[in-house]
Parts: sequence; structure tokens; C-alpha cells
Amino acid sequence: VQLQESGPGLVKSSQTLSLTCTVSGGSISSSGYYWNWIRQHPGKGLEWIGDISFSGYTYYNSSLKSRLTISADTSQNQFSLKLNSVTAADTAVYFCVRGIGQNWFDPWGQGTLVTVSS
Amino acid sequence: EIMLTQSPGTLSVSPGERVTLSCRASQSVSSNLAWYQQKPGQAPRLLIYGASTRATAIPARFSGSGSGTEFTLTISNLQSEDFGVYYCQQYNHWPRSFGPGTKVDIK
Repeated sequence: VQLQESGPGLVKSSQTLSLTCTVSGGSISSSGYYWNWIRQHPGKGLEWIGDISFSGYTYYNSSLKSRLTISADTSQNQFSLKLNSVTAADTAVYFCVRGIGQNWFDPWGQGTLVTVSS
Repeated sequence: EIMLTQSPGTLSVSPGERVTLSCRASQSVSSNLAWYQQKPGQAPRLLIYGASTRATAIPARFSGSGSGTEFTLTISNLQSEDFGVYYCQQYNHWPRSFGPGTKVDIK
């Protein structure tokens, strides 16, 4: 399985950050897997954002829940992230990642840097 | 949120040495802990899950131990390709959380 993020690398403050993850080599509808977004602020650690299950249920980090939507398009074997009302604090590398159940994460996409500008 | 603390923050070692990294949880996570390696400019790579089970294709020189709140990742006979940042992650509580990382670099 391979995952690849795509989307704008630059987003203006107060607007919506939108990213898509294309999955190849496996189906996002496969039972037992969850499809995650994880971010890493520049030079910092890792923050779990949220996930969507193989059956379409979503689970969000409560710290981002009010601004966050994760969705899936099974026909395209993709899942997406939308984060509203972004600020400079949302500048980070965003990774899409397969979750083994809602447990550990493997594999990871290469990551994409999203910069929020004023 | 479960806080994970990793020590040391940075470790300078020579190839061939044995390395022990620590991860401590603010409350018990049972054995629901994973370890990842990240190299500059790359995504993290899963090394260990279930506190002690090596992921597919991970060399036997990597081993994990612990349960509850205290965990250890040991790298025996450190190789040049093992340098990078190591993160622990718990999946016993919501939200899933990561430690701040231990950087392993060349002495």
C-alpha cells in the first residue's frame, strides 16, 4: 500500500486547508483499516488529527474538531482533509497514514508542507 | 490527553554501540505502544507495535519492552542507517498521542 498527499502548499489565513490522499495498492474500504491525517509542525513532534474508518465513520482530535472534516471517496480510493479558519499555527507537514485498526500507523505518505500566510 | 515523555532528548553514539531509549506515559497505556523512526525529510517508519512486536522487515537489532507507563526501545549494534529521531506513540487512550522524540546522532 502506498499513500500520496496532494493539495495547495500555501493557504491564506482564515481560509480552508484542503488536502487529498490517494491510496494505491489497496482499497480504503478494506475491513480493519482506518485512514488518518497526522501533522508535524516545523521542527516539532507529531499530532494526530483524525481518521475515517473503512465504513465511513470519522473520529477527530477534540482540539481540532470544530474546524475539521475528514471524508472519503471510495470510487477514487481517496480520503480528504478540510480544516477551516486556519491560522499560522496550522502551518505543518501533513501526512496521510493508514491505521491498523485504530492503533498504530503504517504506512505513511511522504507528507506535504502546508504554509498558512497572512 | 495522555502525555508521553521521552528521554534522553538527544543521544550521541558511535556505530556498533547499544542504545536504549525511554518512553514514559502519564498514565497506563497497557502494552498499546508503538515506536517509529524518522529521518530528515522523510515520513516516520513503524518499528515496533504492541510494545514489543517488530513490524515487517524491521531488523532484529531493534527490540521493544515495557508495559503500563514505562517503555524501552533498544537498538543493539547500532548501524549508520539507524540515525534519526525516534518517537513513541500510545493507542490506549483518545486522542492518540506521540512523544516529543529522541534524536540519535553520530558521536
